Amino acid sequence: AQSVSQHNHHVILSEAASLELGCNYSYGGTVNLFWYVQYPGQHLQLLLKYFSGDPLVKGIKGFEAEFIKSKFSFNLRKPSVQWSDTAEYFCAVTEYGNKLVFGAGTILRVKS
Amino acid sequence: GAGVSQTPSNKVTEKGKYVELRCDPISGHTALYWYRQSLGQGPEFLIYFQGTGAADDSGLPNDRFFAVRPEGSVSTLKIQRTERGDSAVYLCASSLTGNEQFFGPGTRLTVL
Repeated sequence: AQSVSQHNHHVILSEAASLELGCNYSYGGTVNLFWYVQYPGQHLQLLLKYFSGDPLVKGIKGFEAEFIKSKFSFNLRKPSVQWSDTAEYFCAVTEYGNKLVFGAGTILRVKS
Repeated sequence: GAGVSQTPSNKVTEKGKYVELRCDPISGHTALYWYRQSLGQGPEFLIYFQGTGAADDSGLPNDRFFAVRPEGSVSTLKIQRTERGDSAVYLCASSLTGNEQFFGPGTRLTVL
């Protein structure tokens, strides 16, 4: 069965620091990859997605992610975080465009 | 337009009782998903509907859990003989294409 690993459960950064959140998945075939974000008190929202094509994907709010097939990775990055980026971030994968398999999540706290 | 809505937002029940959780998907979305999120974990897939039929119910933990979508729109997740371990946030998502899923705010179920 597909599984997703997120390497850090808690990350604390100061404003303007760079962010990289790791994500690895187990399945070696064709996958669709996602990052979802959950801001405090809000529901899950899609941050960005990769289906095919350019492995460097740009999402909302200055976030980007790079798909590296040889490493089964889809790491999330942002060059300069803001206090408003404080949230929980989930990496997820689908094999056949149906059910999402999520990682355990990374709680990001940005200190102002 | 309106997003995915879920009712109730919170449900407290006693062990052994029956509960129903409702999901209203985005209008026109043919695919509907239920997930369960326990504390400190990512959402876990329960069941997926395409139209009125359950296309994949492999995530339902046991036969106390059942879901319906009789008219291909609203769905109800039903849990019989609730147990304390059923306490979690139950999330609903809907999709038009089967790839990008839009999540509702969830129902927080507490079994005493």
